[in-house]
Amino acid sequence: DAGITQSPRYKITETGRQVTLMCHQTWSHSYMFWYRQDLGHGLRLIYYSAAADITDKGEVPDGYVVSRSKTENFPLTLESATRSQTSVYFCASSSSGQGGYEQYFGPGTRLTVT
Amino acid sequence: GQNIDQPTEMTATEGAIVQINCTYQTSGFNGLFWYQQHAGEAPTFLSYNVLDGLEEKGRFSSFLSRSKGYSYLLLKELQMKDSASYLCASLMDSNYQLIWGAGTKLIIKP
Repeated sequence: DAGITQSPRYKITETGRQVTLMCHQTWSHSYMFWYRQDLGHGLRLIYYSAAADITDKGEVPDGYVVSRSKTENFPLTLESATRSQTSVYFCASSSSGQGGYEQYFGPGTRLTVT
Repeated sequence: GQNIDQPTEMTATEGAIVQINCTYQTSGFNGLFWYQQHAGEAPTFLSYNVLDGLEEKGRFSSFLSRSKGYSYLLLKELQMKDSASYLCASLMDSNYQLIWGAGTKLIIKP
């Protein structure tokens, strides 16, 4: 199916484990983003990517790693999960990072770290 | 810091009009987005304003005043399906990041 997908949709993991959240888009959008959303906070940018092999830190990158070897995929890895990383994670893509180009969001991954 | 402020929660009646306000930092500002997010779902794009004035799109309109650092989203003829959170986000010209408000939860009552 066309669009932007995330997997898994739900994940429970233990403190200290490595977890990878997957994001795939079929539009060939240049820009991709990872956000986390917590109650009382707006969406907070973790990392973003302007193109394959180009990534940059956002507002809250600590504890996370990203890669982008292909335009369509942008996985997010929690190297050693902590309880504070319990959140809903959204991946988004955009044809451009500038101007009025809207971001299209995936359905989200709800991650619980116990 | 780069703050965006919007009310936490608002309540309105079906069929009525509601205005959701958003204030943002003007330094480096390059545009203002509104997104809608239903509970448990992803945000979806509603509008983008970069110039002063009102942009109308069906039942929804968005207004921007760059000099005042102020925007609002106006929803007319409210329907129960409009119950959602409305997120305001500013685009800064220093990078490609959006700065997001915490969202306004809109509750529609019959």
